[in-house]
Amino acid sequence: AQSVAQPEDQVNVAEGNPLTVKCTYSVSGNPYLFWYVQYPNRGLQFLLKYITGDNLVKGSYGFEAEFNKSQTSFHLKKPSALVSDSALYFCAVRKREAGTALIFGKGTTLSVSS
Amino acid sequence: GAGVSQSPSNKVTEKGKDVELRCDPISGHTALYWYRQSLGQGLEFLIYFQGNSAPDKSGLPSDRFSAERTGGSVSTLTIQRTQQEDSAVYLCASSQLAGAPSNTQYFGPGTRLTVL
Repeated sequence: AQSVAQPEDQVNVAEGNPLTVKCTYSVSGNPYLFWYVQYPNRGLQFLLKYITGDNLVKGSYGFEAEFNKSQTSFHLKKPSALVSDSALYFCAVRKREAGTALIFGKGTTLSVSS
Repeated sequence: GAGVSQSPSNKVTEKGKDVELRCDPISGHTALYWYRQSLGQGLEFLIYFQGNSAPDKSGLPSDRFSAERTGGSVSTLTIQRTQQEDSAVYLCASSQLAGAPSNTQYFGPGTRLTVL
């Protein structure tokens, strides 16, 4: 079965420290990879995506993600966390065939303390 | 509009009633998706509209759920005879060029449905 795993329900970091939110996937082929963020009582906001090319993808708000094909991972990273980064983060994948929907992970709550 | 809009933002209904949820996609986006976000289930795909093609209904959980998209724009998700397990946030998303899976899906703020 196609699936996306976010192994940590919650990640806690101190402001100014680097953060990593992990994502691995089990999807056939070479899927497209996405990260979204959800703030309380808001919809999902797109952060970044990997389509092809450089394994390090840069996105909004200083976030980046590293694609690792051999490990089927797409971890989200930021060099220096902000308190305002505290939110719920979703990893998602989409197969390359047309007409397919996003498959989401369960989400990881990021809490950045001051 | 600037983004995907959904209405109502909140809906409280009694078990057994029918509800309609509305989504206005970004202008020019040909693909429209409905997802459901519930505690313990994460985000689940419900239905996908691609231009004028027949929708992909593979994610609908039961025949109580249906959706339509009129004129290739606005979509309505209808839940008949609501049950308490239908309580969730229903999210709509749209994207350009339905045939390009790499295109980003942009999400609306969602409708929080509570079934009493």
